[in-house]
Amino acid sequence: AQSVTQPDARVTVSEGASLQLRCKYSSSVTPYLFWYVQYPRQGLQLLLKYYSGDPVVQGVNGFEAEFSKSNSSFHLRKASVHWSDSAVYFCAVSPTSSGQKLVFGQGTILKVYL
Amino acid sequence: ETAVFQTPNYHVTQVGNEVSFNCKQTLGHDTMYWYKQDSKKLLKIMFSYNNKQLIVNETVPRRFSPQSSDKAHLNLRIKSVEPEDSAVYLCASRRTGDYEQYFGPGTRLTVL
Repeated sequence: AQSVTQPDARVTVSEGASLQLRCKYSSSVTPYLFWYVQYPRQGLQLLLKYYSGDPVVQGVNGFEAEFSKSNSSFHLRKASVHWSDSAVYFCAVSPTSSGQKLVFGQGTILKVYL
Repeated sequence: ETAVFQTPNYHVTQVGNEVSFNCKQTLGHDTMYWYKQDSKKLLKIMFSYNNKQLIVNETVPRRFSPQSSDKAHLNLRIKSVEPEDSAVYLCASRRTGDYEQYFGPGTRLTVL
């Protein structure tokens, strides 16, 4: 069974600083990989996705993620965060065999202070 | 507007009551999902429907029953709610052939 681990439950950074949110997955084959963001009292919004090809994928609002097969990781990065980036970030995987469901990590709460 | 819509936004009820939540998507997708998000923000899939056919049915209590009238609608009924059912229920959809899912705003259920 596939699983996802986000080792950092909470990350706090100052506005303008760079950001990395970590994600490690466990799978016998490379799954499809996603990052979602959830703002307070809202649903999940897709930030970016990785299916194959270039390991660095660009997303919305200046976010990017890098896939590493050797490390089974899909870390999310942003060069300069804004206070409005404060939210909960979820890494998710979808089995390539069916794509029928998403398996989510535990989420990382990001707080950006001024 | 094309999106995933959920009603109601919030629902407060007492133990033992029956509740129903509605989900509608106008994205033209053919697969829909229900996820449960608990108080610790953990997300777990409950059900998945493809063109009104049940595809995924995770281990959930039998008091939960999904209902789909067509590929754009997926409702969730809970008979005799329990305190542990307090959560946010998120509806999502996707198009066959794509793998990203699009989520609604959620329905927050509080069971007193």
